[in-house]
Amino acid sequence: DQQVKQNSPSLSVQEGRISILNCDYTNSMFDYFLWYKKYPAEGPTFLISISSIKDKNEDGRFTVFLNKSAKHLSLHIVPSQPGDSAVYFCAATYIQGAQKLVFGQGTRLTINP
Amino acid sequence: EAGVTQFPSHSVIEKGQTVTLRCDPISGHDNLYWYRRVMGKEIKFLLHFVKESKQDESGMPNNRFLAERTGGTYSTLKVQPAELEDSGVYFCASSRLSAYEQYFGPGTRLTVT
Repeated sequence: DQQVKQNSPSLSVQEGRISILNCDYTNSMFDYFLWYKKYPAEGPTFLISISSIKDKNEDGRFTVFLNKSAKHLSLHIVPSQPGDSAVYFCAATYIQGAQKLVFGQGTRLTINP
Repeated sequence: EAGVTQFPSHSVIEKGQTVTLRCDPISGHDNLYWYRRVMGKEIKFLLHFVKESKQDESGMPNNRFLAERTGGTYSTLKVQPAELEDSGVYFCASSRLSAYEQYFGPGTRLTVT
């Protein structure tokens, strides 16, 4: 039973444009959400997170939006750069902190020059 | 600050053999997690240590998997006997007490033939 879903296995975007990665979840007990970026042969690297009490969190070129009623979050990257090409994982956890992360399947983002 | 390290980076074993994976967390991180990614699918939780105690082992697939964290420092994950379906990339992650963000190691790619 997939509790966190990333329905787009891949996404291709022109350099300089906006990249939008989507994630849906089914478990209403999730209260904290994270995005990780993964390069080949490396472990996932934390990118940005958001608590359920917020609907937006911004860090430089990266913004995460949360729509709790729709159980949907998205990651916006503006402007997209070639170094952003990687697999992006959405993850969800519980507000108590220090709990397991439940991951989506990942979306492979390719930024074209 | 050194990151999470894992050893070995790759392991190829035959079905029925035993393999032991090792993880060294970031110094001072009481939380240690094991995850597995099989065949390009989602990253799945295996178990969670707080210091030397198992906090959550709900993701362990069966009793062929044994995890230990003696002294609350490094951790080992033993698979005995290995089966073909155990192939995948095993990630270790660590975090500070009560923290949401987990820091991942580079993973150990296990191939069972």
